[in-house]
Amino acid sequence: GAVVSQHPSRVICKSGTSVKIECRSLDFQATTMFWYRQFPKKSLMLMATSNEGSKATYEQGVEKDKFLINHASLTLSTLTVTSAHPEDSSFYICSARGGQDYTEAFFGQGTRLTVV
Amino acid sequence: AQSVTQPDIHITVSEGASLELRCNYSYGATPYLFWYVQSPGQGLQLLLKYFSGDTLVQGIKGFEAEFKRSQSSFNLRKPSVHWSDAAEYFCAVGLNNNDMRFGAGTRLTVKP
Repeated sequence: GAVVSQHPSRVICKSGTSVKIECRSLDFQATTMFWYRQFPKKSLMLMATSNEGSKATYEQGVEKDKFLINHASLTLSTLTVTSAHPEDSSFYICSARGGQDYTEAFFGQGTRLTVV
Repeated sequence: AQSVTQPDIHITVSEGASLELRCNYSYGATPYLFWYVQSPGQGLQLLLKYFSGDTLVQGIKGFEAEFKRSQSSFNLRKPSVHWSDAAEYFCAVGLNNNDMRFGAGTRLTVKP
């Protein structure tokens, strides 16, 4: 299957700083990328959907100004958590669709964000 | 309302025993159906998927799932569980290219 690489896998940052998480499709062009947040022992919550070259579509209740999503190329999407607070600590996962099998989404390894 | 339900939060089975994880969905049309597995601190790995055709789908690691339209179900099964199968399992549905929703997940514990 296609490979999606997410970086970093873990990050610790100070409260008030910003953190950028990258999601790359390594062997296919991802026309659509998704960002999820997963709370401990909970399911994945879709945060936003991004299509290459256009603004991301955010789910209800997700702050656009706090979670900045950029999908500047067909192989890279970034999620920037701005002015991070401890309550933003979570596991963030990206997924990508594209290539020959557009119906399947391929997931990154996830990023564990801890805000101290 | 559109939803994906995994009724069992946690299941414990003995190694070598059979396994069935339940998934029900509520959508107007037949969606795409997926089962994913997640190990602690890891991303999701696709086990199998159903789009159309044969309602019994074979996946990786010896898993299979059966789509039953009349019951709006897509239950995951494995005849003999291995200790390495202990993980979190998520059922997911996709209605279109930009909408994929996950169930709450079922945590599987395997007893020796």
